[in-house]
Amino acid sequence: AAGVIQSPRHLIKEKRETATLKCYPIPRHDTVYWYQQGPGQDPQFLISFYEKMQSDKGSIPDRFSAQQFSDYHSELNMSSLELGDSALYFCASSFYSNEQFFGPGTRLTVL
Amino acid sequence: QKEVEQNSGPLSVPEGAIASLNCTYSDRGSQSFFWYRQYSGKSPELIMFIYSNGDKEDGRFTAQLNKASQYVSLLIRDSQPSDSATYLCAVSPQGNEKLTFGTGTRLTIIP
Repeated sequence: AAGVIQSPRHLIKEKRETATLKCYPIPRHDTVYWYQQGPGQDPQFLISFYEKMQSDKGSIPDRFSAQQFSDYHSELNMSSLELGDSALYFCASSFYSNEQFFGPGTRLTVL
Repeated sequence: QKEVEQNSGPLSVPEGAIASLNCTYSDRGSQSFFWYRQYSGKSPELIMFIYSNGDKEDGRFTAQLNKASQYVSLLIRDSQPSDSATYLCAVSPQGNEKLTFGTGTRLTIIP
């Protein structure tokens, strides 16, 4: 079965640089969620989109923005990167029900 | 106090025995409850979801929900070494909404 696809899988950036993470949800899934998981921590909700509209917002810094496109893929844009942004970033998708399926994640390292 | 509480463990269980994982939540309005398994450095994998009071069984896994006590549990029967992972309890207010995770319980199955 098709799963959530995320790219890139690994990303290394310098402080103050910009990063873009991409997420391709499971086909026919209409909702995309972004989570951040720091080392030894649980995943923290950042933002979600339902049918290409922002549906909820969590503890997402103002330096981050996201959108969902007409083909339902989503991008998380991160600017002015800080050392504390180093984490695993997961995208999850769902359809109608609340069962969210997670992608493999993007490991972001900020140097 | 975190919205979702779990015993961080580590919890060690002999192979073939029953592993019991517990979770409590603070928001009485929560409607959907999930158990995810996460191997180190990997993405959360959905194991079980439960929406109604009582028990729900799927293979070796049983989820139990008691909304009056705000308590969710996961039982793993015939534990296998491959069950060794961190188990995350997640809660959602209602359908298609963000997940709030507990800090996870690290489970080790001893051969």
